[in-house]
Amino acid sequence: GAVVSQHPSRVICKSGTSVKIECRSLDFQATTMFWYRQFPKQSLMLMATSNEGSKATYEQGVEKDKFLINHASLTLSTLTVTSAHPEDSSFYICSARGGVSGGAKDTQYFGPGTRLTVL
Amino acid sequence: ELKVEQNPLFLSMQEGKNYTIYCNYSTTSDRLYWYRQDPGKSLESLFVLLSNGAVKQEGRLMASLDTKARLSTLHITAAVHDLSATYFCAGTGSGGSNYKLTFGKGTLLTVNP
Repeated sequence: GAVVSQHPSRVICKSGTSVKIECRSLDFQATTMFWYRQFPKQSLMLMATSNEGSKATYEQGVEKDKFLINHASLTLSTLTVTSAHPEDSSFYICSARGGVSGGAKDTQYFGPGTRLTVL
Repeated sequence: ELKVEQNPLFLSMQEGKNYTIYCNYSTTSDRLYWYRQDPGKSLESLFVLLSNGAVKQEGRLMASLDTKARLSTLHITAAVHDLSATYFCAGTGSGGSNYKLTFGKGTLLTVNP
């Protein structure tokens, strides 16, 4: 099946620093990638939708200047948390949806997640 | 705007018993998904349901979709401890080309010996 990777899996940083998280689709081309945030014991909340080569579409309440998303190629999207603060500590999960024929087209495949802790 | 409600949110059951998790959604949804999440892990795709009356089964889990009632169910047969996890349903809403997902709050399932 389709595989999505994320890097790093865990990151601890000091308040005020920026953190970049990578999301890669390993064996399919992902025209659309999604970024979610999940707080402990809560559901996933969509942060933004990212289409290759265009600006990300952010959900209401998500600061686009704080959460920078770049989807530079059909297999890579990055999320940069700028000037991170303790309240940004969360589990960040990306997913990728294929835009071509085949099994990846109708399904979102989720990455393993990145646990961010801001001290 | 699509809203997805799951119930129950917490489910404690004994091994060998059957139970059903319900997922109601507020507006038409082109697709309905079920996912499993283990503690500290990401989501594992279980089922995608595309049309009214769709039924899919994998092992002890069976998912169904009733688009007229805007209801999907995840039925657990003869539960075993390994099924303990959080289960999410998610819908895509209607139209659009991105199929962004709206998740329910999740059902924390604990299967006791």
